[in-house]
Amino acid sequence: DTGVSQDPRHKITKRGQNVTFRCDPISEHNRLYWYRQTLGQGPEFLTYFQNEAQLEKSRLLSDRFSAERPKGSFSTLEIQRTEQGDSAMYLCASSLARGNSEQYFGPGTRLTVT
Amino acid sequence: AQKITQTQPGMFVQEKEAVTLDCTYDTSDQSYGLFWYKQPSSGEMIFLIYQGSYDEQNATEGRYSLNFQKARKSANLVISASQLGDSAMYFCAMREGTGANSKLTFGKGITLSVRP
Repeated sequence: DTGVSQDPRHKITKRGQNVTFRCDPISEHNRLYWYRQTLGQGPEFLTYFQNEAQLEKSRLLSDRFSAERPKGSFSTLEIQRTEQGDSAMYLCASSLARGNSEQYFGPGTRLTVT
Repeated sequence: AQKITQTQPGMFVQEKEAVTLDCTYDTSDQSYGLFWYKQPSSGEMIFLIYQGSYDEQNATEGRYSLNFQKARKSANLVISASQLGDSAMYFCAMREGTGANSKLTFGKGITLSVRP
């Protein structure tokens, strides 16, 4: 299957711990996005990459959050010193670098901070 | 102001009937794109249909069509011949500007339930 994959699918962590999520985009897609979705809401944009360059970061992305895409393929999203408010579904998407290109989403990583 | 507004409460439709899900948007850009995604209970976001701001024809994809009314800034999704598998959350989203700005802004979604 050549869809977007994310790992892990679920993560439970204690407040204050660091967590890292991985996203593998569709292989020919050079754009990669991270979104966060809380219960009952639509996804909210966090950041996106074109190849290895991080082109935009939302103000939602506090300094505890960092994302990388070192070789322009997979990406990682790290949250340091997790807080209960970080509990959410973290969605990764990828697309071609074309204005009308749809974004294909992965299954998401559900984070629960206890 | 909200960029994407989806205000319908949970929607119900009888199997095999058509249903319209409303979406209004707000942007000052001349170039933008509108998307609809479906999110079943399993959680994955599934792309359904796209409409560009300069497209003169309403977009169609199988049983999905987009009723695009630019002057009213609305982009309603029409699902024809509803199926039980259409029960899900539906999100309207917008990309503003040209290709370099490609992030999507989503509405809060609408829950659709299809009755047998």
